[in-house]
Amino acid sequence: DVKVTQSSRYLVKRTGEKVFLECVQDMDHENMFWYRQDPGLGLRLIYFSYDVKMKEKGDIPEGYSVSREKKERFSLILESASTNQTSMYLCASSLTGGGVQGETQYFGPGTRLLVL
Amino acid sequence: QKEVEQDPGPLSVPEGAIVSLNCTYSNSAFQYFMWYRQYSRKGPELLMYTYSSGNKEDGRFTAQVDKSSKYISLFIRDSQPSDSATYLCAMSGYSSASKIIFGSGTRLSIRP
Repeated sequence: DVKVTQSSRYLVKRTGEKVFLECVQDMDHENMFWYRQDPGLGLRLIYFSYDVKMKEKGDIPEGYSVSREKKERFSLILESASTNQTSMYLCASSLTGGGVQGETQYFGPGTRLLVL
Repeated sequence: QKEVEQDPGPLSVPEGAIVSLNCTYSNSAFQYFMWYRQYSRKGPELLMYTYSSGNKEDGRFTAQVDKSSKYISLFIRDSQPSDSATYLCAMSGYSSASKIIFGSGTRLSIRP
């Protein structure tokens, strides 16, 4: 079974803090993704990565950065947290590299972040 | 206009009813169509996957794609309380640069 784990289920941070969200997958997947999920807006892609040290911007990268130093680990960084970044953050991974068309994505349980 | 539109619900039906969940989309390049199920406080998990037009059946679940109308459906027969969840449609194109675009999800509740 594919397992995607996220470092925290719930986080409370203050405006301006630097926030690190960690994601680890145990199935040697090439692709990893970070989404945020907000009511009425669905899942929106923040960043994704095809391989170690590679990253691509998604639809809403502003205010975020990512790091992928090892294949199994993909970190999302909020450089200076703001209240509009309060959301559910979901990490996902998929098997093959070179494209994302139609590939099953396996999701972690999510991190609910509250920025005060 | 969003690329993928999905009625957010909530939808509440009695146990045993047939449920119909739907999405419309605007991008004719979409070729892969998926339904994800998300239980409360969990991440989404893939429920069904179809390529191009047609139907696909898996137990009590049937996925239907009508590319001419840009409309996809998920039918659940003999619905059970354990089917209570949020259902997200998702789709992507054929090129290697295609991303998966998710609908906003429909919250479904099956009443015992």
